[in-house]
Amino acid sequence: AQKVTQAQTEISVVEKEDVTLDCVYETRDTTYYLFWYKQPPSGELVFLIRRNSFDEQNEISGRYSWNFQKSTSSFNFTITASQVVDSAVYFCALSSYNNNDMRFGAGTRLTVKP
Amino acid sequence: DAGVIQSPRHEVTEMGQEVTLRCKPISGHDYLFWYRQTMMRGLELLIYFNNNVPIDDSGMPEDRFSAKMPNASFSTLKIQPSEPRDSAVYFCASSLRGGYTFGSGTRLTVV
Repeated sequence: AQKVTQAQTEISVVEKEDVTLDCVYETRDTTYYLFWYKQPPSGELVFLIRRNSFDEQNEISGRYSWNFQKSTSSFNFTITASQVVDSAVYFCALSSYNNNDMRFGAGTRLTVKP
Repeated sequence: DAGVIQSPRHEVTEMGQEVTLRCKPISGHDYLFWYRQTMMRGLELLIYFNNNVPIDDSGMPEDRFSAKMPNASFSTLKIQPSEPRDSAVYFCASSLRGGYTFGSGTRLTVV
């Protein structure tokens, strides 16, 4: 069975602070994909990143960075110098490499205050 | 590409009525997924198809829910009869080689 845990239900920061969203996963698969999605107040699901289990290299995209640690089954997401527009619910997700059945964590609601 | 297209965007119906949600996946994608999002349960995978064949429907809450994919370009999720607890946002997504695209969702309200 696959499981994704996002222990932080809500986080509130002040603009320009750095913030890290935690994601821990469980899977019996040896090959799998990990994802982060953003859901702004408008409701759509915006794809942020996909990482396959072969590749533990950390990734940076502008103010966003991701830390994949296979040893601790974690895939954490950091926003540097947060902005009000980053306010959203962020979901971590896991999918089997073969079956493609993506399962989501419960989400973390991030509020960035001016 | 227009992305994954879901219709309607909003649906309000009375308890007991049949509701049909529609999804057009991205052309060429071989997987199609139906998810439901509620405050209580978050984003749940209801059912998914591979090459139009249902692979796993273990997430379908009960027999009132059914999904079909008659061809590669169309899928439906039907609820009959609908109940107030079915009120949620229903997302369709399609995938090719692990790259997922979500539709904008259908917000269903059952009164």
